[in-house]
Amino acid sequence: DVKVTQSSRYLVKRTGEKVFLECVQDMDHENMFWYRQDPGLGLRLIYFSYDVKMKEKGDIPEGYSVSREKKERFSLILESASTNQTSMYLCASSSLGTAREKLFFGSGTQLSVL
Amino acid sequence: AQKVTQAQTEISVVEKEDVTLDCVYETRDTTYYLFWYKQPPSGELVFLIRRNSFDEQNEISGRYSWNFQKSTSSFNFTITASQVVDSAVYFCALSEADTGNQFYFGTGTSLTVIP
Repeated sequence: DVKVTQSSRYLVKRTGEKVFLECVQDMDHENMFWYRQDPGLGLRLIYFSYDVKMKEKGDIPEGYSVSREKKERFSLILESASTNQTSMYLCASSSLGTAREKLFFGSGTQLSVL
Repeated sequence: AQKVTQAQTEISVVEKEDVTLDCVYETRDTTYYLFWYKQPPSGELVFLIRRNSFDEQNEISGRYSWNFQKSTSSFNFTITASQVVDSAVYFCALSEADTGNQFYFGTGTSLTVIP
């Protein structure tokens, strides 16, 4: 079974902490994505990566950074967590770089920043 | 402007009823793809269907069917004889050939099937 695995299902952090969200895929996919999901706003793209060490900003990159040192792993970093970053974070991956490729998602990380 | 609109925020139906989830999209590309994903309470979005802009044939898969109409820019999803296991949030999404890595998601429709 192909999988996208997110390291934590639930995470509670304090304001100002540095937070790492990890995502690993076992499908040898080139593309990886980080979304945040908020009620009434759907999924919004934070960052994506189409190759190792490559990254592109999505719609809401402010307050976030990413790292992709290996093809299978894509990390989302909150340099200084704030309460407005409390959200569900979803990682996804896809093969190639064409619009037709479907996304495979992880189960999500529900982050609470207190 | 929202590229994908799912006007129905929440829907409740009684088991065995049919239900249609609406999706309206906006694009200027001639080549694009439309998707439906299901997000059960476990959290993971699961792919249901993909349609390309050149294929307007309706599709049926078991109790699920999809109606793609370019004339109205709609890609609606119907569940026939709904079951409790259909309870989930459903997302419609668009990707455009010109911006291959960018997916535009609707805000989702939360479906509750009451036994």
